[in-house]
Amino acid sequence: KQEVTQIPAALSVPEGENLVLNCSFTDSAIYNLQWFRQDPGKGLTSLLLIQSSQREQTSGRLNASLDKSSGRSTLYIAASQPGDSATYLCAGRDAGNNRKLIWGLGTSLAVNP
Amino acid sequence: NAGVTQTPKFRVLKTGQSMTLLCAQDMNHEYMYWYRQDPGMGLRLIHYSVGEGTTAKGEVPDGYNVSRLKKQNFLLGLESAAPSQTSVYFCASEIRWNYGYTFGSGTRLTVV
Repeated sequence: KQEVTQIPAALSVPEGENLVLNCSFTDSAIYNLQWFRQDPGKGLTSLLLIQSSQREQTSGRLNASLDKSSGRSTLYIAASQPGDSATYLCAGRDAGNNRKLIWGLGTSLAVNP
Repeated sequence: NAGVTQTPKFRVLKTGQSMTLLCAQDMNHEYMYWYRQDPGMGLRLIHYSVGEGTTAKGEVPDGYNVSRLKKQNFLLGLESAAPSQTSVYFCASEIRWNYGYTFGSGTRLTVV
């Protein structure tokens, strides 16, 4: 059964720091992996989508990588800003049930001025 | 281009009451999904649709019904609300399979 784990559950860093959020999955048979951002009391905003044939995607200060063989994806945030404070969720599309996204519980990030 | 719009944004129901949550998308997406989000449990799929006139059950369908009579709308119904259905409900859409989700802003439902 596919499971997605995000470590750490919470992270607090000073402004300007480069940081890495981790997402691991138990079964390498995934079609894609998507990173989302959720602000308190708000919906989810898609950040990056990595297809299984890709190794990484970049958008501005964000870079996401996917290593299916090790069952890991990382989200790299460069030069963090207080506005980056949010919960970051990853979700893998399970090849066993291809309608279904398997969700992590998220990493709550606080970037302090 | 509004994306995915959910109505209402907030609602308080009494146990046993019924209501319908509306999800509307203006992106001509084929696939639509209803999720609920609860603390410590993450997002769980309730029902989904792969096109107009189709619906299918997700992980936690009991107590909910859905309809997709028009491509742009996906309705989630609670026939007899229970306190266990207190949650935040999110609708999402996808243009085709494997293209990535777009989410609405959510409906916060409290059942007392």
